[in-house]
Amino acid sequence: QQQVKQSPQSLIVQKGGISIINCAYENTAFDYFPWYQQFPGKGPALLIAIRPDVSEKKEGRFTISFNKSAKQFSLHIMDSQPGDSATYFCAGRNAGNMLTFGGGTRLMVKP
Amino acid sequence: EAGVVQSPRYKIIEKKQPVAFWCNPISGHNTLYWYLQNLGQGPELLIRYENEEAVDDSQLPKDRFSAERLKGVDSTLKIQPAELGDSAVYLCASTPRGSHEQYFGPGTRLTVT
Repeated sequence: QQQVKQSPQSLIVQKGGISIINCAYENTAFDYFPWYQQFPGKGPALLIAIRPDVSEKKEGRFTISFNKSAKQFSLHIMDSQPGDSATYFCAGRNAGNMLTFGGGTRLMVKP
Repeated sequence: EAGVVQSPRYKIIEKKQPVAFWCNPISGHNTLYWYLQNLGQGPELLIRYENEEAVDDSQLPKDRFSAERLKGVDSTLKIQPAELGDSAVYLCASTPRGSHEQYFGPGTRLTVT
């Protein structure tokens, strides 16, 4: 059962543009929603995270928007840079700190 | 501070052979995770340790996979015998006590031929 669905699978954005990645979850027991960034040959690294009692969280160029009633959340990358080119994973966490990851989005930012 | 260390980084074996992966978590991190990441997909949890105790191994295929974390520090994940479908990246992550953030190692890329 895929509990976290992520889209799109791949995304190409021009430098300076906005990258938007969407996720939908099914498990209402999730209490924390992190986004991870993964570069080739590296493990995922935490980028930004949000709790379900907050509708938006912003850190620098990265913003999470969260819609609890729709069970959806999204990552917005403002002023996208070539260095942002990576694979991004959303996830949901349950009370046991167990993460369920989405399928990933491969982002390419063109100079 | 050194990150999560995994070895080997790459491993190529023939099917039916055994293979073992090693993970050394960040010093002081009491929780350790092993994940499986298939190409183009998100990581999937295999097993979670709290200190030396496996507290969740429900996703570990116990007929061929085994893991141990003696002394609650480093950990070994073993596959015996390996199958073609086991080709993937095996990630290790750790979390310090009282925190929720998981710190991932670079992974071991296994190719079974």
